[in-house]
Order: sequence, then C-alpha cells, then structure tokens
Amino acid sequence: KAGVTQTPRYLIKTRGQQVTLSCSPISGHRSVSWYQQTPGQGLQFLFEYFSETQRNKGNFPGRFSGRQFSNSRSEMNVSTLELGDSALYLCASSLESHVYNEQFFGPGTRLTVL
Amino acid sequence: KQEVTQIPAALSVPEGENLVLNCSFTDSAIYNLQWFRQDPGKGLTSLLLIQSSQREQTSGRLNASLDKSSGRSTLYIAASQPGDSATYLCAVGGNTPLVFGKGTRLSVIA
Repeated sequence: KAGVTQTPRYLIKTRGQQVTLSCSPISGHRSVSWYQQTPGQGLQFLFEYFSETQRNKGNFPGRFSGRQFSNSRSEMNVSTLELGDSALYLCASSLESHVYNEQFFGPGTRLTVL
Repeated sequence: KQEVTQIPAALSVPEGENLVLNCSFTDSAIYNLQWFRQDPGKGLTSLLLIQSSQREQTSGRLNASLDKSSGRSTLYIAASQPGDSATYLCAVGGNTPLVFGKGTRLSVIA
C-alpha cells in the first residue's frame, strides 16, 4: 500500500510570491491534516480536511488556505510569502477523523523563501 | 490549552543500552497519544498509537505506556542500536488537533 505522498519535495520562492503544495493520502483515507514544522516552533497544526470540508483550523493567518478534492487529495496554498514561512510542511492522513485514528505522515515539502 | 513537554531534549547513549523517553501533557482529557520518529529533514514515521483506554502498546523493541491521570507517557527502547538515532516526538490527540512535543533527539553511539 502506497504511503502519503507530497509534491514537490523542495521549493524555493521569493517574498511576495504564492505557492501551492500537494498531498495524496493513503488510499481509503478520508482525513488530511497539514502541519508546519520550524526549528523554533516545532510542529504546528494548520488545518484538517475531511470529505472536502475543512473541519479544524490552526492559528495561522488567512494567507494559508487549503482544499480537498473528491478523491481526498489535498492542496494547501500560501499567498504573499514571507521569510518566516520557510519551513517543512507536512501532510498527514488518517482513515477517519484524526481524533481517534492513527495519523500517517508524508515526507514533507521543504519551502525556502528568499 | 493542551501543552506537551518532552524531557530530555537530547540524549546520547552507547549501543546496547535500554533507555526511556518521557512525554508529559497538561490536559488529561485525551483520546490517544502517538509516538513518532523523525530522521533529519524527513517526515514522521508512526511508531505506536495508544488509545486513552489502553495502558501500553508494544512493537518489537519499543514499548509505550500511558498514564492519563498523571499526564505522562514513556517510550522504552530496548537494546538500542545506532539505527535508532533520530528525533522522537510524542503527540496528544483530544477534541482538538494533535498537539506535539518538541521532541527528544537521540544519538546511539556504536
């Protein structure tokens, strides 16, 4: 069974640009969550999607948005990039709600903002 | 607000030693606790998931325990190997999204 995949693996952008990251969950998983990982703040929750609906949202500005498609694949978008957005962005999938189920993580997308 | 703390932040042990990693959380109203391993620059690998009704889970050389009332979990690694070198993270699941600790960076010296 294929694991969680994320594309692209690495991205370099400049301030002010926007970026879209993609996540394909494990087959049959309906919940996709996104996290930002930085050395200073650790892992912080961005949002969770379940059946194409955003179910939870973390404490991030509106520049961070996401969506989920009918095949459970998810994308997150960051607009007007800032230097502080440089981070490893991780996607995780779970069978149903992340609350009760084991979460499986992808390899991440390393975003560098110059 | 749930807070998760992992002590120590870093640990270096000789190969073959048994070791314990600690995780504490402030709100005992949790649904589960999950231990992960992260290699440098990589994603997270799930090691063990303990539901709130369980006291421990085992997988190979790993054993995780959960004491909800005291807000603690431990990850026991038996007969450590250099390949166990990584950062170990615990995450608590409640009626809010997973809350992660900052991790323990483990180095196993051959």
